[in-house]
Amino acid sequence: KAGVTQTPRYLIKTRGQQVTLSCSPISGHRSVSWYQQTPGQGLQFLFEYFSETQRNKGNFPGRFSGRQFSNSRSEMNVSTLELGDSALYLCASRSGRGVQETQYFGPGTRLLVL
Amino acid sequence: DAKTTQPNSMESNEEEPVHLPCNHSTISGTDYIHWYRQLPSQGPEYVIHGLTSNVNNRMASLAIAEDRKSSTLILHRATLRDAAVYYCILRDGQGGSEKLVFGKGTKLTVNP
Repeated sequence: KAGVTQTPRYLIKTRGQQVTLSCSPISGHRSVSWYQQTPGQGLQFLFEYFSETQRNKGNFPGRFSGRQFSNSRSEMNVSTLELGDSALYLCASRSGRGVQETQYFGPGTRLLVL
Repeated sequence: DAKTTQPNSMESNEEEPVHLPCNHSTISGTDYIHWYRQLPSQGPEYVIHGLTSNVNNRMASLAIAEDRKSSTLILHRATLRDAAVYYCILRDGQGGSEKLVFGKGTKLTVNP
């Protein structure tokens, strides 16, 4: 089975722009979660989608949004980029049927905001 | 969210056992203890999890204290490939939606 894939792997943007990141979960997985990782704050939960519905949300401003498609692929969008949005963005998938399921993480998209 | 405390860093020699501690004094009865690790330039990967009893798998063992206020991840023979940041996470066993709450983790250095 193919793992979680994320595109693009690297991205450079400037302040004020917006960005869209994509995540393809493991086949059959219906839950996709997004995390932001920075040296200062570590790994922080952004949101989780399950069957196209946002099921949980972390403590991030409204500039961070996401969606999930019927094939379970997910995108996250960050509008009006700030320097502090420079981070590694990770997505993780699981089938969504059990709370103690393993989360499978992708390799991440490294975003640099100049 | 229930909190965990881990040492910032630990060092080990190759082929020796490693014991990575985690304190979780505010753990609730329905919290499972999960361990993930993140190798350099990769996303986190699952290592092991347990509720009350000690657990073993091909990667590691998890020893859980009787009062469940602490646990220890045991790598029986460390290899260079085990150099990573190890995260101890509590996951609520109730409810359908959950998020992983990562602390700072323990950075493990393995010396050849």
